[in-house]
Amino acid sequence: DTAVSQTPKYLVTQMGNDKSIKCEQNLGHDTMYWYKQDSKKFLKIMFSYNNKELIINETVPNRFSPKSPDKAHLNLHINSLELGDSAVYFCASSPSGGNSPLHFGNGTRLTVT
Amino acid sequence: SQQGEEDPQALSIQEGENATMNCSYKTSINNLQWYRQNSGRGLVHLILIRSNEREKHSGRLRVTLDTSKKSSSLLITASRAADTASYFCATDERPGSNYKLTFGKGTLLTVNP
Repeated sequence: DTAVSQTPKYLVTQMGNDKSIKCEQNLGHDTMYWYKQDSKKFLKIMFSYNNKELIINETVPNRFSPKSPDKAHLNLHINSLELGDSAVYFCASSPSGGNSPLHFGNGTRLTVT
Repeated sequence: SQQGEEDPQALSIQEGENATMNCSYKTSINNLQWYRQNSGRGLVHLILIRSNEREKHSGRLRVTLDTSKKSSSLLITASRAADTASYFCATDERPGSNYKLTFGKGTLLTVNP
C-alpha cells in the first residue's frame, strides 16, 4: 500500500488555467507538507499543516491555495498558472513536525506551456 | 538564504568504493536528516541525527554531526550501483518552526558498476 499518494503524476496545462493536485496519506500522521522542486532539484517548502491547521505558508503567491479537509488529505489548488510554476510538486507527511522523518509521495510533474 | 549546502554537487565512483558527502548549515538546529532521491521518485528518509549526537550508523550508512562547525557528513561504505541517486541533507532551523524542514541542493552520486 502506498503511504503517501499524489495524483496526478503528470500534469500538462496552458498558462492561465486552474489545476489541482491531490494528496493522501494512510500513515496516520498529523503533519502534511507541500514542497516544490525546481529544475535544478532545489526543494523548497511551500506549506505545512498540522491537524488540518495551516502552520507554514512560505511566501507562496495567493494563486496557490492548499486545503486540508481532514488529517489524511492535503490538496493543492493553483489558479492562473504561469510558466514559472512548472516544477515537480511533492506532498509529504510526518508524525509530528520536523523532529521526525518525512514520508514523501512520488511527486507531480507540472508543465505549464 | 540556503540553509543546507551539500558538497560536492556531483560524485562519481566505482562500485565497492566509499562515498562521502558533506552538508553545511548556517543556523542552530534541533536535528539534521539525510534523504535519498532516485530519479523520478520522491525522497526517502535515510537517517536522523539530533543536535546532541555526534555519530549515527544505519547499515552501510554513517552520519556525523559537528555542531561547532555546523556541518554533517554522510558516508556510504561499499557502494553499489543501486546507491546511484541524489542525496539531500535537511535541517530544522532554530529559532524557527518545528514544521519547516529546509533542504540543501543535493549531491548527485553515480556508482559505476
